[in-house]
Amino acid sequence: DTAVSQTPKYLVTQMGNDKSIKCEQNLGHDTMYWYKQDSKKFLKIMFSYNNKELIINETVPNRFSPKSPDKAHLNLHINSLELGDSAVYFCASSQLAGHQPQHFGDGTRLSIL
Amino acid sequence: KQEVTQIPAALSVPEGENLVLNCSFTDSAIYNLQWFRQDPGKGLTSLLLIQSSQREQTSGRLNASLDKSSGRSTLYIAASQPGDSATYLCALPMNTGFQKLVFGTGTRLLVSP
Repeated sequence: DTAVSQTPKYLVTQMGNDKSIKCEQNLGHDTMYWYKQDSKKFLKIMFSYNNKELIINETVPNRFSPKSPDKAHLNLHINSLELGDSAVYFCASSQLAGHQPQHFGDGTRLSIL
Repeated sequence: KQEVTQIPAALSVPEGENLVLNCSFTDSAIYNLQWFRQDPGKGLTSLLLIQSSQREQTSGRLNASLDKSSGRSTLYIAASQPGDSATYLCALPMNTGFQKLVFGTGTRLLVSP
C-alpha cells in the first residue's frame, strides 16, 4: 500500500498552460507538504498544511496555489507555467506533534516545453 | 539561517566496505535530524531520525550519530551492498519552524559488486 501517492508521475506541457498535481496520504498524518527539487537536486520546501490550514508558505510565486480539501489530500495548482518551473515536485506528510519523520511520495517530474 | 552541507558529494566503494557519510549544520539549536535515501526517479525514503536529546540511532546496518555542539551528524553504513547505491540526504527542521526541513546537498553513493 502506497503511503504517500502523487499523480501524475510525469507532466510535460507548454509554457503558459495551467496544471495541477494531486497528493494523497493514507498514514493518518495531520500535516502535508510540497517540496521542489531543482535540476541540481536541491530540495526546498514550498508549502505546508496542518489540518487543512496553511502553516508554511515560502517565497513562492502566487502562480502556485495549494489546496487541501481534507487532511489526507494536498493538491498543487500552477498557473501560467514558466520554463523555470521545470523540476520534480515532492509531496510529503507527517504527524506534527513530537517532531515525527516526514514521509515522501515518489515525485512528479514537470517539464515545460 | 540554517545551512546544511554534506561531504563528500560523491563516493564510490567496493561491496563489503564500511563507510561514513557526513552532514554539517551551522545552527546547533535543532529539534532533530533526519537521514533519507533517494533512488533515481524515486522519492525520499526516511532511514533514521535522531531527536536532539539522542546521540545515535541504529537500524540494521545503518547507524546515525549526532553531535550538536560541533554541528555534525554521520551516517555509518556497515558491510555495504550494491543495493545501498543511492543519494543520501540529511535534513533538519529550521529553528523558526520545526516542520520546515532544510536539506543538505546530498552524497551520491555507488557500491560496486
